[in-house]
Amino acid sequence: DAKTTQPPSMDCAEGRAANLPCNHSTISGNEYVYWYRQIHSQGPQYIIHGLKNNETNEMASLIITEDRKSSTLILPHATLRDTAVYYCIVRVAGSNFGNEKLTFGTGTRLTIIP
Amino acid sequence: EAQVTQNPRYLITVTGKKLTVTCSQNMNHEYMSWYRQDPGLGLRQIYYSMNVEVTDKGDVPEGYKVSRKEKRNFPLILESPSPNQTSLYFCASSLSSEWRTNSPLHFGNGTRLTVT
Repeated sequence: DAKTTQPPSMDCAEGRAANLPCNHSTISGNEYVYWYRQIHSQGPQYIIHGLKNNETNEMASLIITEDRKSSTLILPHATLRDTAVYYCIVRVAGSNFGNEKLTFGTGTRLTIIP
Repeated sequence: EAQVTQNPRYLITVTGKKLTVTCSQNMNHEYMSWYRQDPGLGLRQIYYSMNVEVTDKGDVPEGYKVSRKEKRNFPLILESPSPNQTSLYFCASSLSSEWRTNSPLHFGNGTRLTVT
């Protein structure tokens, strides 16, 4: 299973772009990169996902390197409400057909500073 | 509003007293799953279900049971709770269990369980 590595914590000034890195050097060709975030102890919230190309939605942008071994989540104009733990996840399939294991690591704690 | 609803939000119980945490989704999702979250360990999958009457073990199934009699409901049952099951629990659902369709997971707001 491809695993991900993220820095444990980051700070970002309010109004600036927050860039959260993730390494997934063992990712295989058909595995997607997903980003979720968890505010305090609420349920994780889906942000964005991608396979090869860069992706953008109303919440964020996802930049995936050409070799797919790393990616960066960009929150273009961070607000205080973006303070959360951000999880980078590679979606894997197990040995049984349809075995859906979604392994969350410990993520990056992003703090937006006023 | 599309959502995953868990109940109760908070639960304190004693060792050995059977309990059920309910989970319901209104999005007609095929796939549902239970996770527990503990400090320093991230989210770990307990059980999952690919569709009605189809369930399977995740990474930490010991001490838990589930059932999927209807598409919308996926209750988590602790037949004889123990203190090491004190945790924050999340239910999640997804449109499809086929990982290649890249459908994201939608999570409930969690159930904080304390077993004394």
